[in-house]
Amino acid sequence: ETGVTQSPTHLIKTRGQQVTLRCSSQSGHNTVSWYQQALGQGPQFIFQYYREEENGRGNFPPRFSGLQFPNYSSELNVNALELDDSALYLCASSLVDRGNSPLHFGNGTRLTVT
Amino acid sequence: SQQGEEDPQALSIQEGENATMNCSYKTSINNLQWYRQNSGRGLVHLILIRSNEREKHSGRLRVTLDTSKKSSSLLITASRAADTASYFCATDATGGSEKLVFGKGTKLTVNP
Repeated sequence: ETGVTQSPTHLIKTRGQQVTLRCSSQSGHNTVSWYQQALGQGPQFIFQYYREEENGRGNFPPRFSGLQFPNYSSELNVNALELDDSALYLCASSLVDRGNSPLHFGNGTRLTVT
Repeated sequence: SQQGEEDPQALSIQEGENATMNCSYKTSINNLQWYRQNSGRGLVHLILIRSNEREKHSGRLRVTLDTSKKSSSLLITASRAADTASYFCATDATGGSEKLVFGKGTKLTVNP
């Protein structure tokens, strides 16, 4: 069984730039969720994708967007980067689109915006 | 938005002691989950308790849920240095567009 993998592991960007983060779901999982975790805080829900459609969104501006592909892998895109976007971005996959399914997390992408 | 609030924020104990962490939340839930995170890594699911359950065990872990008080506790018995990590509760609120909502976590340090 292949776990959730994220790439890259670390990334440094300049304010105003755009970034794309990638996630491969655990095999057999059809739902992917993205979370932002600032230092010393809990993960904040960005959005979830189920069968290639956005299936819920947290309190994040439209410059945060995503995609889910037919193989259930996913991308998180952030435009017009701001300093406050510096955080650990976590991808998590699960089998169904309901909250009663445990999430399987990748190890995240550490994004630093300078 | 963060629904859950863990208490205490930080906890330091000796190996072999028990560790208790608490979580309070604000709205009605379908279930509550506990996760563990080693420094800078992804979260690992520990246990899920449904809203109609009051207590659940998994190895050295014991979770309780009191829906009338909107609170849960995680007990780790006979702690080990390897239990050192941050622990988060996460709730699946009924309704709303957000899915699993995490608290700010309790940082547990187990000293050898």
